[in-house]
Amino acid sequence: EEQMVESGGGVVRPGGSLRLSCAASGFTFDDYGMSWVRQAPGKGLEWVSGINWNGGSTGYADSVKGRFTISRDNAKNSLYLQMNSLRAEDTALYYCARGGPFTGYSSRWYRLTYNYYMDVWGKGTTVTVSS
Amino acid sequence: QSALTQPASVSGSPGQSITISCTGTSSDVGGYNYVSWYQQHPGKAPKLMIYEVSNRPSGVSNRFSGSKSGNTASLTISGLQAEDEADYYCSSYTSSSLYVFGTGTKVTAL
Repeated sequence: EEQMVESGGGVVRPGGSLRLSCAASGFTFDDYGMSWVRQAPGKGLEWVSGINWNGGSTGYADSVKGRFTISRDNAKNSLYLQMNSLRAEDTALYYCARGGPFTGYSSRWYRLTYNYYMDVWGKGTTVTVSS
Repeated sequence: QSALTQPASVSGSPGQSITISCTGTSSDVGGYNYVSWYQQHPGKAPKLMIYEVSNRPSGVSNRFSGSKSGNTASLTISGLQAEDEADYYCSSYTSSSLYVFGTGTKVTAL
């Protein structure tokens, strides 16, 4: 079964840092670009960041650019989000999702794959920024 | 990176068809055939319902269909059922090589 499990959420003070992790299983991790998506309490979905298959291309929403860093370790089938200078408005449920605006690389077919959609989602990890 | 515009709510009687609109710009919805739709039930993770404007993933009911005209994409649910009550979000690839979601629509079966 294809799945992702997020971890690392918690309560942090404004200005603090947190590192989220996402463990993937049931599929060839480095075949896919990956994304982080968040949802503030009672609000809609917001794409936060994405990364291509080998970490060579990344992108960020304006709201987190310069504060958040996305990375991945294909040997560990894991995706990460380092969050610095956290603000109250970063309080949200953070989802790890397969796909998004960056490419994967099919190790079976030796070609780039473009999945401009997110087809597998984790259950999310909660980040609360509060003093 | 402005969110795509969706109606806050759409409702219909069971068995009826409803359509949710998603309006963007030529830099996102209008510029690419990379619009997707997600269904989210309360307390659950989003689920992909439509990708690349009109394609359904395996396992998604054929009551769900997608289309696009200009800068506006649409999701139609035919034969509305109680289980379709959920929040729905559109999304699109953008010219900045990024990604944007819609504001979300709450669907109610009356």
